[in-house]
Amino acid sequence: QLQLQESGPGLVKPSETLSLTCTVSGGSITTSDYYWGWIRQPPGKGLEWIGSIYYAAKTYSNPSLKSRISIFIDTSKNQFSLRLSSVTAADTAVYYCATLSRWLTYIESWGQGTLVTVSP
Amino acid sequence: QSALTQPASVSGYPGQSITISCTGTSSDVGGYNYVSWHQQYPGRAPKLMIFDVTNRPSGVSSRFSGSKSGNTASLTISGLQAEDEAEYYCTSYTSSPTLVFGGGTKLTVL
Repeated sequence: QLQLQESGPGLVKPSETLSLTCTVSGGSITTSDYYWGWIRQPPGKGLEWIGSIYYAAKTYSNPSLKSRISIFIDTSKNQFSLRLSSVTAADTAVYYCATLSRWLTYIESWGQGTLVTVSP
Repeated sequence: QSALTQPASVSGYPGQSITISCTGTSSDVGGYNYVSWHQQYPGRAPKLMIFDVTNRPSGVSSRFSGSKSGNTASLTISGLQAEDEAEYYCTSYTSSPTLVFGGGTKLTVL
């Protein structure tokens, strides 16, 4: 059974780049069975899909974030990563990594989430 | 892309049935049979309860069911139990293609 674990700094300064990594265990990140994705949830608010990547490096992103995000896979480490540039306080959230169905139609499983705070 | 519309809260007594609606457009909910529902307890990661409008993942109680009519999808929980008290989010595939969430519905078991 696949397990996902987010890692990265819990505090980022405004205007800097947020970087998070999701380590996949129990399976290969090069599988064609899933998309890999990122979702976030500001404190006390709802969920927002950020973007997803397929093993062949095909990516899709939330249009509202597209100009600031980069998602990529590191097959040697069985990891995928998110970079979000020019962050502001509005980017403070719990960030989840997740597996999505191979047709990008639903989120199958979630990591435990990691809180990232944007503050000077 | 705009968020899907869900009621902020619903409530019911143990044993009763409740329904949570999720309204979108012909570019998302109405255009595809790809609506899913997630349950989230406070401080926890969400959990998939329904996918492709009506399908339950292995291990999810049969008390949870999904349906769709036009641009509105629904999650019904029958035989309400105290453990069902949580936040529920709908999600839909869109034409972009992207995924869009509803704003969430807090279910209170009275």
